[in-house]
Amino acid sequence: SQQGEEDPQALSIQEGENATMNCSYKTSINNLQWYRQNSGRGLVHLILIRSNEREKHSGRLRVTLDTSKKSSSLLITASRAADTASYFCATPHMEYGNKLVFGAGTILRVKS
Amino acid sequence: NAGVTQTPKFQVLKTGQSMTLQCAQDMNHEYMSWYRQDPGMGLRLIHYSVGAGITDQGEVPNGYNVSRSTTEDFPLRLLSAAPSQTSVYFCASSSWTAGTDTQYFGPGTRLTVL
Repeated sequence: SQQGEEDPQALSIQEGENATMNCSYKTSINNLQWYRQNSGRGLVHLILIRSNEREKHSGRLRVTLDTSKKSSSLLITASRAADTASYFCATPHMEYGNKLVFGAGTILRVKS
Repeated sequence: NAGVTQTPKFQVLKTGQSMTLQCAQDMNHEYMSWYRQDPGMGLRLIHYSVGAGITDQGEVPNGYNVSRSTTEDFPLRLLSAAPSQTSVYFCASSSWTAGTDTQYFGPGTRLTVL
């Protein structure tokens, strides 16, 4: 059972625009993480937000977390062609020793 | 540090064959996991280990075996490959610091079962 679900499934924007991806999850969590996957590669950790945080920044990334709605968003500002990738949210799942369970991902394409 | 390494990068098997996907990490992480990634499904947890000698099942464990004899290595065994196991397999390792589990992924093994 997948814990997180990303929305939209795919997003295409022009270079310089902002990209927003959303994630919803089902159970209570103590943190939520976002990962990026370039085509044909493994996943790379981007940012972690804890359940007692509402917003977190890292460079051009901004993540928000709303535990009352069980949702998170990832905003990439001033997007670049190099941001083209799939983005996944992941949350710890108590049933599996708090190992991360991933959503299906959002495919982001940034056109130059 | 090499991080997390996986071999082979590509593999083609016939139905019923067995094989082992290798995974190693040099970060002294206590936690290691195997995931499979299928189109439109994201990553699904197969098996995981919280330390040498300890393994447990994830979301989709059927058809796979694992062992963890050392901290560094976490091989995944397919005893009798089936076409449904065609997928990309990722190994990940992590260290439980400050109550969080940030994972480091290997480059993946693309497996095709005919």
